[in-house]
Amino acid sequence: EAGVAQSPRYKIIEKRQSVAFWCNPISGHATLYWYQQILGQGPKLLIQFQNNGVVDDSQLPKDRFSAERLKGVDSTLKIQPAKLEDSAVYLCASSSIPGQVTDTQYFGPGTRLTVL
Amino acid sequence: AQSVTQLGSHVSVSEGALVLLRCNYSSSVPPYLFWYVQYPNQGLQLLLKYTSAATLVKGINGFEAEFKKSETSFHLTKPSAHMSDAAEYFCAVSALTGNQFYFGTGTSLTVIP
Repeated sequence: EAGVAQSPRYKIIEKRQSVAFWCNPISGHATLYWYQQILGQGPKLLIQFQNNGVVDDSQLPKDRFSAERLKGVDSTLKIQPAKLEDSAVYLCASSSIPGQVTDTQYFGPGTRLTVL
Repeated sequence: AQSVTQLGSHVSVSEGALVLLRCNYSSSVPPYLFWYVQYPNQGLQLLLKYTSAATLVKGINGFEAEFKKSETSFHLTKPSAHMSDAAEYFCAVSALTGNQFYFGTGTSLTVIP
């Protein structure tokens, strides 16, 4: 079974630029998560989708971050405009059973963003 | 609100020695608890999870963790460290209700030959 795919793996931009990350979850997984992992910290949930609907985006900085999962499969996370403090690894994860918090989350390799 | 505290951001053990990584949780409701491992430049991988069944949970790669409600702890152990265990380990918590999933700050494990 193919794992969670993310691209790009690395991205370097200047502050105030825009950037987008892409995630393709494991086939058939209804739930998709985006996490932000700042160096030296644990991952922080930004947004959770169930199929193409948002379940939780309470920690998403909506003034600059946006995410979509239009067809309930792959997803994009966008930052516009980027700030220095957005430098982090952005992790995508998916799980198969909607609404079951104990269901295993499978993580992609992440996208490392550096904002200069 | 739920949270986890991982004591010790860096732990070093000799190859063959006991591995003990500490995690204490704070939760107003009975929690679910998880341990994840992250190898360099890779995503997180689930080691084990506690879901209110047996308090001693066995995971992959010889790891296990014990849920102790009286101590609000969920420490991760392995009897004998292997070089391949060197990685970052994260404890995480979620509640029975709601979807929030909180990670600790991680513990970096170094295994000394």
